[in-house]
Amino acid sequence: GAVVSQHPSWVICKSGTSVKIECRSLDFQATTMFWYRQFPKQSLMLMATSNEGSKATYEQGVEKDKFLINHASLTLSTLTVTSAHPEDSSFYICSASDRAVFSNQPQHFGDGTRLSIL
Amino acid sequence: AQKITQTQPGMFVQEKEAVTLDCTYDTSDQSYGLFWYKQPSSGEMIFLIYQGSYDEQNATEGRYSLNFQKARKSANLVISASQLGDSAMYFCAMKRNSGYALNFGKGTSLLVTP
Repeated sequence: GAVVSQHPSWVICKSGTSVKIECRSLDFQATTMFWYRQFPKQSLMLMATSNEGSKATYEQGVEKDKFLINHASLTLSTLTVTSAHPEDSSFYICSASDRAVFSNQPQHFGDGTRLSIL
Repeated sequence: AQKITQTQPGMFVQEKEAVTLDCTYDTSDQSYGLFWYKQPSSGEMIFLIYQGSYDEQNATEGRYSLNFQKARKSANLVISASQLGDSAMYFCAMKRNSGYALNFGKGTSLLVTP
């Protein structure tokens, strides 16, 4: 089945550091990838939709200058948390669909990245 | 706008018993789909089952089945013969018609006891 790889799985860094998270579709081309954030004991909330070759679409309340998204190829999207602060500590998870226009296709998720900012 | 509601924050079930996890939704779309995902403590999201609004039969996938009641706008997940490995968070979700991201409910934490 379709596989999405996310790296790194765990990051601990100092406040003020920028952190890059990669999301790769391993066996299919993903024109669209999604980035979600999940705080402890809460649900997944969409941060942004990443489209290959164009600018990402951010959800209301998500700072696009803080959460930089690049989708340079059909198999790779990156999320960079710039100048991270403790309140950015969260679980970040990406997903991709090889046929997003078909509503019955499940999205395939990466394993997520646990980000801890000290 | 869509809304997904999961009213059970936590559920307990004994091993080998069946359990039903509730999900109600609200949408103005005529055509839509509902998904259930399982999230173990390790964090990954595991797709379980899908139900389309025009599907005539309730979806089934192994021990998972969906009790879909369109008029009531409910899509409850039924897990039969629960196993200890079923202990996890379970999320009901609906794909947006614009952009195709998923809207998730708040989730239900299921604990299967011996």
